[in-house]
Amino acid sequence: EIVLTQSPGTLSLSPGERATLSCRASQSVTNSYLAWYQQKPGQAPRLLIYGASSRATGIPDRFSGSGSGTDFTLSISRLEPEDFAVYYCQQYGSSPQTFGQGTKVEIK
Amino acid sequence: EVQLVESGGGVVQPGGSLRLSCAASGFTFDNYAMHWVRQAPGKGLEWVSFISGDGGYTYHPDSVKGRFTISRDNSKNSLYLQMNSLRTEDTAFYYCAKDNGAAAIDYWGQGTLVTVSS
Repeated sequence: EIVLTQSPGTLSLSPGERATLSCRASQSVTNSYLAWYQQKPGQAPRLLIYGASSRATGIPDRFSGSGSGTDFTLSISRLEPEDFAVYYCQQYGSSPQTFGQGTKVEIK
Repeated sequence: EVQLVESGGGVVQPGGSLRLSCAASGFTFDNYAMHWVRQAPGKGLEWVSFISGDGGYTYHPDSVKGRFTISRDNSKNSLYLQMNSLRTEDTAFYYCAKDNGAAAIDYWGQGTLVTVSS
């Protein structure tokens, strides 16, 4: 089973700042099958990025994903008030699919 | 518009059973694989079941293998999760989720809460 480790656990930033979230896999993720999700309190997760770098439908271009192998990054170029949430990475290239433990982006 | 509506959650005693349902609409149901993902209150996400579009392939991770069974009825646009031998650690919100065609999850339901407690 591939273990995904996200860092940092919490990121304290101000609106307008850039956010950089990391997801490291215990072994190489097949075909860069790595997704990022955003979850707000009381809501279901929302797909942001799939295939490591492809934005999902309707996702603003301030969200971008990069990486391959075992190291992946989600960047938010300029934080908007609605971007403060918990972010999860997920690998879906090997069974069982696994999620990281999440990074909380909070208002500083 | 894709809609996924779960039902069937509730309180059950340890060792008991529960069947979750998910009604899907807004897309051609039998063209897509489906997933169940759970989240214990205040915790992270855990993938618990997968089924192919025609129902011919299913997968359950070791944490639920032999206890949970995923199934679907494409004539009813419905997904199911039969949960047996429930444990307190199975307490969670259970989300029905649609595959995007490449094994990622692109739509999620709002979840149904399963509480396993005596």
